[in-house]
Amino acid sequence: DQQVKQNSPSLSVQEGRISILNCDYTNSMFDYFLWYKKYPAEGPTFLISISSIKDKNEDGRFTVFLNKSAKHLSLHIVPSQPGDSAVYFCAPADSNYQLIWGAGTKLIIKP
Amino acid sequence: EAGVAQSPRYKIIEKRQSVAFWCNPISGHATLYWYQQILGQGPKLLIQFQNNGVVDDSQLPKDRFSAERLKGVDSTLKIQPAKLEDSAVYLCASSLRGYNEQFFGPGTRLTVL
Repeated sequence: DQQVKQNSPSLSVQEGRISILNCDYTNSMFDYFLWYKKYPAEGPTFLISISSIKDKNEDGRFTVFLNKSAKHLSLHIVPSQPGDSAVYFCAPADSNYQLIWGAGTKLIIKP
Repeated sequence: EAGVAQSPRYKIIEKRQSVAFWCNPISGHATLYWYQQILGQGPKLLIQFQNNGVVDDSQLPKDRFSAERLKGVDSTLKIQPAKLEDSAVYLCASSLRGYNEQFFGPGTRLTVL
């Protein structure tokens, strides 16, 4: 029973354009949502987060949107750069602050 | 500030053999996590320590996996005996407290033949 779904295993975007990565969840008790980025042969690194009391959080080129009624969040990267090519994981935190990870979306930025 | 250290980076073993992984968290981080990441999936929490006590090991296959953090600093994860389905990347992470950002090590890629 997957609580967190990232339905696009991969996404290819032209450099300079916007990348949009999506994440759906089933547990309405999640109240803190994190995005992690992972390069090959490295561990995941924290990218950006959002609390359930907000619907948007912005950090430079990265913006996360949360739609609680739809149980959906998205990560926007604009403009996309070659260094953004990585696997992106959506990871909501449960009531014990443990992370429940999606399967990830591999983002490829084409020059 | 030094990051989370893990060793070895790669390990290849035959099924039914045993293997151990080591993790040294960021200095001062009280919480330590071991995750298993199978190819194409997100990380799955195996065990969480707070200092040298276990907070959650509900997803640890205790018939073959064991983990310890005796002095509340570094930690060892052991598999004995290994099965083919244990092939995965084993990630260690640490955080100041259980509700803070988690910092990950580079992982150990285990291949069981």
